[in-house]
Amino acid sequence: DTGVSQNPRHKITKRGQNVTFRCDPISEHNRLYWYRQTLGQGPEFLTYFQNEAQLEKSRLLSDRFSAERPKGSFSTLEIQRTEQGDSAMYLCASSSWTANYGYTFGSGTRLTVV
Amino acid sequence: RKEVEQDPGPFNVPEGATVAFNCTYSNSASQSFFWYRQDCRKEPKLLMSVYSSGNEDGRFTAQLNRASQYISLLIRDSKLSDSATYLCVVNNDYKLSFGAGTTVTVRA
Repeated sequence: DTGVSQNPRHKITKRGQNVTFRCDPISEHNRLYWYRQTLGQGPEFLTYFQNEAQLEKSRLLSDRFSAERPKGSFSTLEIQRTEQGDSAMYLCASSSWTANYGYTFGSGTRLTVV
Repeated sequence: RKEVEQDPGPFNVPEGATVAFNCTYSNSASQSFFWYRQDCRKEPKLLMSVYSSGNEDGRFTAQLNRASQYISLLIRDSKLSDSATYLCVVNNDYKLSFGAGTTVTVRA
């Protein structure tokens, strides 16, 4: 296990379609985070899991967004009825019990909604 | 007010120069602090943690001033490979908050 893995790396979709991204964290990390990054901005927090429990969701996450981590291992982020404003880099990160040592990020999924 | 504010730059410096930049954070209860580096269209990568006593990692020196709630990064003897966006990051309990980044370009 060499790091956080995200799939797909790139996704182009038509407006109104649903998309799903997957994240496989570092195996011994129990915390998993989703962030979104748009051009010229730093990553913005979307949601956070500790094991399989989703403990916080940002107000950035509209009802069209849902995230799961069914067995406390990999996670999925689904966006329904995509809009052009959803175009961004979606980053997954994981950490151990404490974030005092920072996160390890995956390479991200770049979403383009046309 | 944003949780973490950074001077966006860009800082355009010649090789060998020293460049320094700061960020400020709003939550006085923030627990730990980091600088991340992000190359164009890549994921952020941890550059270094920042401690109250100040710390160095090779050519990079980070300082934290809790009283004034600012964090600094200094890069000595800049290399072309230092060209990147540097993200100031604070940890509030379990969640990292990122600044928008400071862009540094090192020219030959």
